[in-house]
Amino acid sequence: AQSVSQHNHHVILSEAASLELGCNYSYGGTVNLFWYVQYPGQHLQLLLKYFSGDPLVKGIKGFEAEFIKSKFSFNLRKPSVQWSDTAEYFCAVNSNTNAGKSTFGDGTTLTVKP
Amino acid sequence: KAGVTQTPRYLIKTRGQQVTLSCSPISGHRSVSWYQQTPGQGLQFLFEYFSETQRNKGNFPGRFSGRQFSNSRSEMNVSTLELGDSALYLCASRRGQSGETQYFGPGTRLLVL
Repeated sequence: AQSVSQHNHHVILSEAASLELGCNYSYGGTVNLFWYVQYPGQHLQLLLKYFSGDPLVKGIKGFEAEFIKSKFSFNLRKPSVQWSDTAEYFCAVNSNTNAGKSTFGDGTTLTVKP
Repeated sequence: KAGVTQTPRYLIKTRGQQVTLSCSPISGHRSVSWYQQTPGQGLQFLFEYFSETQRNKGNFPGRFSGRQFSNSRSEMNVSTLELGDSALYLCASRRGQSGETQYFGPGTRLLVL
């Protein structure tokens, strides 16, 4: 069965600090990988996605993620966080044949101190 | 383009009652998936509908059911509500081709008393 593991449940950073959120997955076959963000009181929004090609993908708001197939990882990074990045971040995986059925990690709550 | 809409946004029910939640996908999207989000279990897949047919089902009891109409709008129903059904129910839509992104609605927050 597929699973997604996010290593950090709660991360606290100061503004301008660098961010890296870990995500590992267990999935048989070719995967599609996603990072979603949920700001307080708002709905899930797509940050970035990886389907194929360049393993380094860039998303909105300066976020990027690197797919490392050998490590089954898809870590999210941002060089310099802002207070407005305070939110919950979810890593998710699905496959081309089951693109409507995503498996999500437990989420990481990021708090950025001004 | 309008996003995924869900109604109602908030709902309070008592144990034993049933509830129906509605989801309107993005125009042109034929696939609708439902997820349950709780603090303890996170985001869990309920089911997916495509062209009025259930394509996938998660590990939820038979009290949870759904359907999709010819205009792609979807409803999910929970019968005989339990306290543990209190959650945010999210709907996501996509066109229905392989390898696509799901777009999420704001959710319906259900509280069971």
